[in-house]
Amino acid sequence: NAGVMQNPRHLVRRRGQEARLRCSPMKGHSHVYWYRQLPEEGLKFMVYLQKENIIDESGMPKERFSAEFPKEGPSILRIQQVVRGDSAAYFCASSPARRESVDEQFFGPGTRLTVL
Amino acid sequence: AQSVTQPDIHITVSEGASLELRCNYSYGATPYLFWYVQSPGQGLQLLLKYFSGDTLVQGIKGFEAEFKRSQSSFNLRKPSVHWSDAAEYFCAVGLSNFGNEKLTFGTGTRLTIIP
Repeated sequence: NAGVMQNPRHLVRRRGQEARLRCSPMKGHSHVYWYRQLPEEGLKFMVYLQKENIIDESGMPKERFSAEFPKEGPSILRIQQVVRGDSAAYFCASSPARRESVDEQFFGPGTRLTVL
Repeated sequence: AQSVTQPDIHITVSEGASLELRCNYSYGATPYLFWYVQSPGQGLQLLLKYFSGDTLVQGIKGFEAEFKRSQSSFNLRKPSVHWSDAAEYFCAVGLSNFGNEKLTFGTGTRLTIIP
């Protein structure tokens, strides 16, 4: 059973360009979470999605950031018009859809975004 | 809102020595508590978790943690560290809110092992 897959692992963009980060959850997992880790900091929650639904986007910046988890295919975190402050590691995590208990989240290796 | 404090930014211990990493949380109810480890340039690996029951939980790689409700703490311990334990350690708290188990992380403790 493959783990959480993220690609690309490293992404370099110039200011003003768009960044698209992809996340494929573990097989059988229908919950996806995106977190951002700024240099020398812990992870900060951004958004929680289920298939075709955004459940909680309270951690997402109001502008330029969007996320989706379509019925088919990976979850996408999209950052438009990137700025230097967007440089960070972006981690995706997934968990199964068991509602009777809290389950652990399995993390991908992350995408390290560098904005020049 | 819940919060997590890891008061030690950086800890250095000798190989073979014991280790304790501190974690305090702030949350009105009983939280779900996790310790993750992150090696340089890597993702996060779960070491252990506490949901309910026995307050002393065992994890992988010889780690354990004890939940102390009275102190709002969930400290991570290992009796004898190995050089391969050098990494960043994150404590996290989760809550189940209609199935939304988003995690709140501490700022991490960087562990350095000296020979």
